[in-house]
Amino acid sequence: SQQGEEDPQALSIQEGENATMNCSYKTSINNLQWYRQNSGRGLVHLILIRSNEREKHSGRLRVTLDTSKKSSSLLITASRAADTASYFCATDGSNYQLIWGAGTKLIIKP
Amino acid sequence: NAGVMQNPRHLVRRRGQEARLRCSPMKGHSHVYWYRQLPEEGLKFMVYLQKENIIDESGMPKERFSAEFPKEGPSILRIQQVVRGDSAAYFCASSPSTSSPEQYFGPGTRLTVT
Repeated sequence: SQQGEEDPQALSIQEGENATMNCSYKTSINNLQWYRQNSGRGLVHLILIRSNEREKHSGRLRVTLDTSKKSSSLLITASRAADTASYFCATDGSNYQLIWGAGTKLIIKP
Repeated sequence: NAGVMQNPRHLVRRRGQEARLRCSPMKGHSHVYWYRQLPEEGLKFMVYLQKENIIDESGMPKERFSAEFPKEGPSILRIQQVVRGDSAAYFCASSPSTSSPEQYFGPGTRLTVT
């Protein structure tokens, strides 16, 4: 069953603006990961945040985790056209499988 | 260090034929995961394998689908007697160990059943 749910489903912003995507999940987790998928391509791991962490940064990416609300957010600052992609959150299931949301489709307009 | 490799990238099969999807994990990775992605949807877990062992196949349909990861060679996802509903992108991911939760994905195989 689907664990994570991202919102919004689609987001269109101007280049240079910040993009924020949210993810909610249902069961307790050990960690939460964000991945990017360019159209028709495989998935690229962006960042992992563990359940005992509240915030993590990687370059222009900032991820927050609120385990009390079972939610996470991904912020991309100073967006670029190359950031256009679908973004997925994934939580750890039993046996280390990843459980995925449906994704947010991000479009950066030049 | 080559990434996860999958082949073929695109596969077209008629209803009733067999589809074989191959995945070579990253060098040094002994854990392989298969996922299926329908258009406009997230990935759905199918099966988790270690060398010569199926660890978790709870996401794989009981009939027509099978997976293996032999001691030598790539992991194989096999779909027998394909139906139109099997049309999807199938992704393989690998990880070095269970203590490393990050998974590294291949480019996927897009299966089209006509």
